[in-house]
Amino acid sequence: NAGVTQTPKFQVLKTGQSMTLQCAQDMNHNSMYWYRQDPGMGLRLIYYSASEGTTDKGEVPNGYNVSRLNKREFSLRLESAAPSQTSVYFCASSGTGSYGYTFGSGTRLTVV
Amino acid sequence: RKEVEQDPGPFNVPEGATVAFNCTYSNSASQSFFWYRQDCRKEPKLLMSVYSSGNEDGRFTAQLNRASQYISLLIRDSKLSDSATYLCVVNMRGRDDKIIFGKGTRLHILP
Repeated sequence: NAGVTQTPKFQVLKTGQSMTLQCAQDMNHNSMYWYRQDPGMGLRLIYYSASEGTTDKGEVPNGYNVSRLNKREFSLRLESAAPSQTSVYFCASSGTGSYGYTFGSGTRLTVV
Repeated sequence: RKEVEQDPGPFNVPEGATVAFNCTYSNSASQSFFWYRQDCRKEPKLLMSVYSSGNEDGRFTAQLNRASQYISLLIRDSKLSDSATYLCVVNMRGRDDKIIFGKGTRLHILP
């Protein structure tokens, strides 16, 4: 099915460990995004990429890095996980025109 | 003023009733507007776009008021399955797409 695919769906990390969240879309969208969602906080933008080869910080970029590997893929890396990064992470993509976002199904990350 | 504001609710509404909620936005340059639905522990999904002339999709009606800078969502004949969080989304187009999400309004449909 066309859409946004995120992996993994669940992950438990120990404080200080690193990991990369993967995201791929097959809709030929230019823009891709990483959000985190915490209870009562809504969706907060971590990083986004308006096009292949470009990335920009969002509202809460500290502790994260991203790579726009190609037009399809946009990964999020936690270099040294902290308990404050326990959250649900959503990847999303959008194309030109007023079509909104398509989200992946999310990654539930727990840092202990 | 926050970029996008919604009443967090919850709205507790009996099945079959009509419910409406609004979302205000601060940037008059905003160009595209959407309502998303998010079920518990799931990703947000596009419910409907909001057009200047207003638009309807079955039991759902969306309106845009540019002068007062708000959008609204009306749900008629509410169903138990309408229980969810409804996110207002505003797209400010420019060099990059800047899409702002509201924090959502929780709706509980009561049997």
